[in-house]
Amino acid sequence: DAGITQSPRHKVTETGTPVTLRCHQTENHRYMYWYRQDPGHGLRLIHYSYGVKDTDKGEVSDGYSVSRSKTEDFLLTLESATSSQTSVYFCAISGEGNEQFFGPGTRLTVL
Amino acid sequence: AQSVTQLGSHVSVSEGALVLLRCNYSSSVPPYLFWYVQYPNQGLQLLLKYTTGATLVKGINGFEAEFKKSETSFHLTKPSAHMSDAAEYFCAVSLPNAGGTSYGKLTFGQGTILTVHP
Repeated sequence: DAGITQSPRHKVTETGTPVTLRCHQTENHRYMYWYRQDPGHGLRLIHYSYGVKDTDKGEVSDGYSVSRSKTEDFLLTLESATSSQTSVYFCAISGEGNEQFFGPGTRLTVL
Repeated sequence: AQSVTQLGSHVSVSEGALVLLRCNYSSSVPPYLFWYVQYPNQGLQLLLKYTTGATLVKGINGFEAEFKKSETSFHLTKPSAHMSDAAEYFCAVSLPNAGGTSYGKLTFGQGTILTVHP
């Protein structure tokens, strides 16, 4: 299995609080991605990174920001969490071949 | 822009029966195509992928898929279902990452939940 970890694995928070999710890889892959998974929507891309400090928006980026200061870490921040951001969040990594490897996911509940 | 449509959000088969999960895509250029499987409370695992070359692609756990350009389809099949195949399956498409221009971004279908009855 690709070396990807996500932390925390579960989090419950209140509306309006900031939340940061961490993705860590040990594969030295260039590309990293954050997705959210919601029933009936499959996975939707939030943000992605194509190198250290190189990031861009995905399909559903409103309300989210990201940072990548090291190759191995990709952080997803919800500046002010809302109930609509209750979801399961997946990090993925990829080398040059388009194939993505997924982390175990973080289940976030915003009350 | 690419898009993926998976026909049928739920598919139910008997153990030993043929599994057929349908996927149609839309892409402005020849795409790369993927099938992923997700077991409960787990991440996604790659079943198989098509990039170039042979249009019939074999994957893990006895699954295979055929890229049909004329039908813009990439249906997933398995001759004989097993109870352990019960999971959610996702079809995904990306543009070839030639020169790093597409960044390997995936667009997913909505998913198909496969139930296998004894």
